[in-house]
Order: sequence, then C-alpha cells, then structure tokens
Amino acid sequence: GENVEQHPSTLSVQEGDSAVIKCTYSDSASNYFPWYKQELGKRPQLIIDIRSNVGEKKDQRIAVTLNKTAKHFSLHITETQPEDSAVYFCAARGRFTGSNYKQTFGKGTLLTVNP
Amino acid sequence: DADVTQTPRNRITKTGKRIMLECSQTKGHDRMYWYRQDPGLGLRLIYYSFDVKDINKGEISDGYSVSRQAQAKFSLSLESAIPNQTALYFCATSDLPGAGTQYFGPGTRLTVL
Repeated sequence: GENVEQHPSTLSVQEGDSAVIKCTYSDSASNYFPWYKQELGKRPQLIIDIRSNVGEKKDQRIAVTLNKTAKHFSLHITETQPEDSAVYFCAARGRFTGSNYKQTFGKGTLLTVNP
Repeated sequence: DADVTQTPRNRITKTGKRIMLECSQTKGHDRMYWYRQDPGLGLRLIYYSFDVKDINKGEISDGYSVSRQAQAKFSLSLESAIPNQTALYFCATSDLPGAGTQYFGPGTRLTVL
C-alpha cells in the first residue's frame, strides 16, 4: 500500500518568512495529492490540492509542487502570518485494495508563525 | 463545515464498555470514512463505505465495527473499549470516486479509562 513520509514534524518561522513542508510517497500510481490544514481544536480542512498531470499549483500565498519522477510534493507558504499557525497534513491518493483507492496521510507538520 | 456532524463531541468511558460514535452528513455524498488521530501519527483510516451496501476495513479496523444506516449516517462502534483506543475520531465524506477531497466532521474526543 501507499506510504507517505512528511517532513519536518515541527517548523517555526518568523512572520513574513516562507515555510516549506515536504512529503514523499511510495506508490507511483498515486495521482491526487491534497494538503489539509488543522487549526488547534478544529477539523482538518483542504487548503490546496494537485493532480498528477500538473507540476505546480498556486492559490494566493500557498503553492504546491509535484515531482512525479522523484515521488515527492511540497507545500510552500509565502509571507507567513500568525493565522497560518496550524498542523498541516499532506496526503496521497493511492490504490488500497483491488479497485479501491484511499488517501494515505502524512503524520503532520506543526507550523508555528512567530509575530 | 456544518454539513458533517458527529455525536458525541466528547466521551469518557471505562475499559470494557461498548461505545458508539455517530456521524451524519447533509452533503449528499456516498462515500464516508472513519479516522482516528493520535499525536504524531496523523490520520489513520479505520473503516470506509462507498455506499449503503458497501463496508470496507481500513488499516486499523481491529477492535472496531461500523454500520451504514443510510446514505447520510455512518456509525463507529467499539465493542469493548480499551485504553489504547483513547484518541480523537473523525468522520469524513467525499464526493468523488476513489476518495477525492475529504470533508471532515468536528471530531469526537474519546477517553477510555
């Protein structure tokens, strides 16, 4: 099955700096890579996603890049703000059993943006 | 996202008790999931259901069972709770084949003493 590794587990940056979180996956058939943000005490919510036919996607201050050859993808947050502080999860949609697919999540990155 | 709700939000129980966690959704999605979240371990899939007649085990189904009562309802049961089932449990739904974007409920914090 799919295995997703996420690094770093914690990341502390100064307000205004950039933050980068990286994930690797094992299943070359995986074709959908979402990122979720979970604020303290809240539910995970999708912030951006990318499909395997695209190398990069941007949405205002966040961007995701995908390298299918190397089987890794990254989340980039520019001009970080205190409200970006949260746990971020990457995920990869890969084959689970038979024709069933599921999302496998990374273990999460706790991002702290210091004012 | 108020479209996915979970009850109860918090529960403290004792070892050996049977516990049911409930999930309801008004999004009209066929696919529903149960995850548990533990610090440092991310979100792990317990069970999932692609329609009312379809139930599948996830990666950590031992000690859990589920019931899909209707398209909108998916319940998770712990037949005999044990302390290492203490965790935050999330229900989620998705609308695309093969698990697209997941829409999570608010979570249930379960403590087993």
